[in-house]
Amino acid sequence: EAGVVQSPRYKIIEKKQPVAFWCNPISGHNTLYWYRQNLGQGPELLIRYENEEAVDDSQLPKDRFSAERLKGVDSTLKIQPAELGDSAVYLCASTTSGANVLTFGAGSRLTVL
Amino acid sequence: GQNIDQPTEMTATEGAIVQINCTYQTSGFNGLFWYQQHAGEAPTFLSYNVLDGLEEKGRFSSFLSRSKGYSYLLLKELQMKDSASYLCAVIAGGFKTIFGAGTRLFVKA
Repeated sequence: EAGVVQSPRYKIIEKKQPVAFWCNPISGHNTLYWYRQNLGQGPELLIRYENEEAVDDSQLPKDRFSAERLKGVDSTLKIQPAELGDSAVYLCASTTSGANVLTFGAGSRLTVL
Repeated sequence: GQNIDQPTEMTATEGAIVQINCTYQTSGFNGLFWYQQHAGEAPTFLSYNVLDGLEEKGRFSSFLSRSKGYSYLLLKELQMKDSASYLCAVIAGGFKTIFGAGTRLFVKA
């Protein structure tokens, strides 16, 4: 069984440029999370999906961040425009339901110059 | 608000036992996870507690006291490969998983 797949693994951009991250969860996992992890910190929740519905996006900076999960499978997280402070690892995780263990992807490491 | 506290760093000796504590204050509680994260890698599942008491899994054990908002992860017979960050995560109200900042464990020979 394939795990959670994320791409790209690494991205370097200049500030004010747009960037997008893609996540393919484990087949059958209805719940999908996007987290941001800064160096030396724990993952910080950005958005949680139950199927195609965003059930918790209270911590998503909506002025520059957007996310979608069309058809309740793959998800895309976009930042436009990127700022220096957005440099971090963006982790996608999926699970069968909210109370179960999360399986994480390898993450997308963003560096904003 | 939601708050999960863990020590920032710990150091222990190979072969020893180490206990990593976690205290939490969350809106709602539906379970507590411990994850291990090696540098540059994704977190991986270690243990899960939803009822009070001790859960044992090989060299790793995790304890939960819901009335005290407290958990610990116990690592026995430490090995060098156990050097990693250990993340305490609570499934809060609405079944949202939130993480503490993590404890970096250094195992020395």
